[in-house]
Amino acid sequence: KAGVTQTPRYLIKTRGQQVTLSCSPISGHRSVSWYQQTPGQGLQFLFEYFSETQRNKGNFPGRFSGRQFSNSRSEMNVSTLELGDSALYLCASRPLAGVNEQFFGPGTRLTVL
Amino acid sequence: AQSVTQLDSQVPVFEEAPVELRCNYSSSVSVYLFWYVQYPNQGLQLLLKYLSGSTLVESINGFEAEFNKSQTSFHLRKPSVHISDTAEYFCAVTPAGGSQGNLIFGKGTKLSVKP
Repeated sequence: KAGVTQTPRYLIKTRGQQVTLSCSPISGHRSVSWYQQTPGQGLQFLFEYFSETQRNKGNFPGRFSGRQFSNSRSEMNVSTLELGDSALYLCASRPLAGVNEQFFGPGTRLTVL
Repeated sequence: AQSVTQLDSQVPVFEEAPVELRCNYSSSVSVYLFWYVQYPNQGLQLLLKYLSGSTLVESINGFEAEFNKSQTSFHLRKPSVHISDTAEYFCAVTPAGGSQGNLIFGKGTKLSVKP
């Protein structure tokens, strides 16, 4: 099975712009979670989607949003980018059959100038 | 709310020496515990997990971790490390009664194995 894929892998934006990141989960996985990884704050949970519905949301401002499509692919959007949004954004998927681990993608490295 | 503390940000060790990476957590509810490893420029890979049952869990590459409820700890150990174990290790928890989709991570421990 192919793993979790994230596109693009690298992205450079300027302050004030918006960005959309994409995540394709492992085939058959229905839950997708997003995390932000920075040197200062570490790994922080952004949100989780299942069946196109947001199930959980972390403590991030409303500029961070996401959605999930019927094929379980997910996108996250960050509007009005700030310098502090520079981070590695990780997507993880899981099948939701009982308790199971999350499988992570390689991440999208976002740099905000 | 849950929180995870990894007591050491960096651990240097010589090859074939034993290592312990410490993890303590705080939670008012039962949690599931995980150790993930991150190699440079890669995502996270699950190393091992504790859900229930035996408090000692093992991975296929020689790591083990022991869940200690009274001390709220889940330390990771390996009796003999290899150069290839050089990576960053993250301890994580998620509430047992929730969706388990939201992992709470520690700040990570960078393990550096020297020849």
